Amino acid sequence: AQKITQTQPGMFVQEKEAVTLDCTYDTSDQSYGLFWYKQPSSGEMIFLIYQGSYDEQNATEGRYSLNFQKARKSANLVISASQLGDSAMYFCAMRVPAAGGTSYGKLTFGQGTILTVHP
Amino acid sequence: DTGVSQDPRHKITKRGQNVTFRCDPISEHNRLYWYRQTLGQGPEFLTYFQNEAQLEKSRLLSDRFSAERPKGSFSTLEIQRTEQGDSAMYLCASSAGDRVGQPQHFGDGTRLSIL
Repeated sequence: AQKITQTQPGMFVQEKEAVTLDCTYDTSDQSYGLFWYKQPSSGEMIFLIYQGSYDEQNATEGRYSLNFQKARKSANLVISASQLGDSAMYFCAMRVPAAGGTSYGKLTFGQGTILTVHP
Repeated sequence: DTGVSQDPRHKITKRGQNVTFRCDPISEHNRLYWYRQTLGQGPEFLTYFQNEAQLEKSRLLSDRFSAERPKGSFSTLEIQRTEQGDSAMYLCASSAGDRVGQPQHFGDGTRLSIL
């Protein structure tokens, strides 16, 4: 079964600095997808960035980049130039093929990391 | 572009009562997912639909839980004979397809509190 581990319950960063949120995963599937979501205190889950297992380049979306190290099974999120509005819970999630098929279904989430940005 | 809509936002009920939640996905999204999130934890998968077909149910979904998507558009999640342990945020998400990189877009959730 697939598993996502986020070992940092909480992280603090100074405004305008960069921060890395750790994520390791475990799956026996060769094809899979890795996602990061942001959940502010208001509760909505916001999709940030995606990395496919066969993608050779690390994904980037604006200030977000994903440091993908396949051999180490890690998919760390890097947020550059942190802003006060980045304070939130961040979840790493994985998607693997549904049983018996080539389609993809549910997401499996880690426990999350609370990021606090200080002015 | 209207996002995923969930109703109600909050539900407070007594133990033993039945509750029903509704989710309206992004229009033309054929996939619809339900997750449950307890305080300080990541969302846990409950079930998902492709159009009106329920493709997978988690073992978390006991006999007291039932979900439907009768016309392949909105979905309902019903919990019968609620228990204290059902208190959680119930999240709905939708996606446009089943490709690995297709992101799931979430609604704001329904927070259920059992008295």
